[in-house]
Amino acid sequence: DAKTTQPPSMDCAEGRAANLPCNHSTISGNEYVYWYRQIHSQGPQYIIHGLKNNETNEMASLIITEDRKSSTLILPHATLRDTAVYYCIVRVVGANSKLTFGKGITLSVRP
Amino acid sequence: DSGVTQTPKHLITATGQRVTLRCSPRSGDLSVYWYQQSLDQGLQFLIQYYNGEERAKGNILERFSAQQFPDLHSELNLSSLELGDSALYFCASGGGIHLTGELFFGEGSRLTVL
Repeated sequence: DAKTTQPPSMDCAEGRAANLPCNHSTISGNEYVYWYRQIHSQGPQYIIHGLKNNETNEMASLIITEDRKSSTLILPHATLRDTAVYYCIVRVVGANSKLTFGKGITLSVRP
Repeated sequence: DSGVTQTPKHLITATGQRVTLRCSPRSGDLSVYWYQQSLDQGLQFLIQYYNGEERAKGNILERFSAQQFPDLHSELNLSSLELGDSALYFCASGGGIHLTGELFFGEGSRLTVL
């Protein structure tokens, strides 16, 4: 699986949008971008994934650049409960492959 | 609630002992994945089973073993425990009827070795 690079931490104000960047410059054509988060010591939680088109669900939006070398996870209205470690993962779908977690980015939402 | 059940939630034991962690996957999921998360390390992939057969192996110690049973639940066996085995152990499931490729994680089993 391709490697991803994320800044170690960021913060944002409650109610504002949180934009979490991720670089995956070696991504292959059959690899998807996945985002998970881990709140404190709970089990990681799936947020969203995409191949090349932008995606949106009830939790977040995923913007993938045209060259697919980077992406941004957007939490439109961050709340205190969104404080967590967010992991950007590149993974081939269809092979039931494992997720390889990096260090992720720690998002702190301040009141 | 992810639908993945792990037991026990907490376990305290002594060095040299053996423990078994259990995981029940989401209904319809055929794959089970085990991960270890220590304080100073991230989520480390240990092993994956698919429909009863080992599919992939990660950084799993020889003292650790796992299996997936016909009803698709899985057990992770940790033996000759050392202080450094203290960690959160997560199970995830996927690869069933949910074809979008997400993995669903349980809440983990926290192992403390004294």
